[in-house]
Amino acid sequence: NAGVTQTPKFQVLKTGQSMTLQCAQDMNHEYMSWYRQDPGMGLRLIHYSVGAGITDQGEVPNGYNVSRSTTEDFPLRLLSAAPSQTSVYFCASSYGSGPRSGNTIYFGEGSWLTVV
Amino acid sequence: EDQVTQSPEALRLQEGESSSLNCSYTVSGLRGLFWYRQDPGKGPEFLFTLYSAGEEKEKERLKATLTKKESFLHITAPKPEDSATYLCAVQAMDSNYQLIWGAGTKLIIKP
Repeated sequence: NAGVTQTPKFQVLKTGQSMTLQCAQDMNHEYMSWYRQDPGMGLRLIHYSVGAGITDQGEVPNGYNVSRSTTEDFPLRLLSAAPSQTSVYFCASSYGSGPRSGNTIYFGEGSWLTVV
Repeated sequence: EDQVTQSPEALRLQEGESSSLNCSYTVSGLRGLFWYRQDPGKGPEFLFTLYSAGEEKEKERLKATLTKKESFLHITAPKPEDSATYLCAVQAMDSNYQLIWGAGTKLIIKP
């Protein structure tokens, strides 16, 4: 009963480095997304996907790339890390078109990223 | 502008002391309102979805209600294990995939 699995749990990067946060789900969900959570703010959508080969930008996409080659996996790439990208990142998935249909969103346990 | 505001930011209660958390929202048309619970170091966990004014849903000591402008999460006779941050989010009719999230209410139940 894995659900949404994210790796790594913790990561420290130097400014300018690149890295990939991995996300996998075993629920055969079509909708997947990445959020960031910062103190005192609500979750903010970075990118989302409604199926393999289909991705789109959310509210705060700058500095991040995504791809969706399979239904199960949705990695998030930081191209050139900046201190402003220090945050907690959550991957999420949902049945069908997800929030567009009012469907429940299921979250992973989070990835804590610090950029120094 | 679509907006979600949760209050209070933090709430400390004694075990058994009932209270309510508030989620006020402004959207052009509501498709759904969601309540989530988030434990420290964990991802949000789904609690309820409410779709229309007057709707109520219950789960153990929690009861969520919805009006045209706000939602309340009532907690009855809370226990220390109910301590968590409670998040509210809304889905607007004219928004394809974006949820608008509140900043959350941190609830602490003291034994």
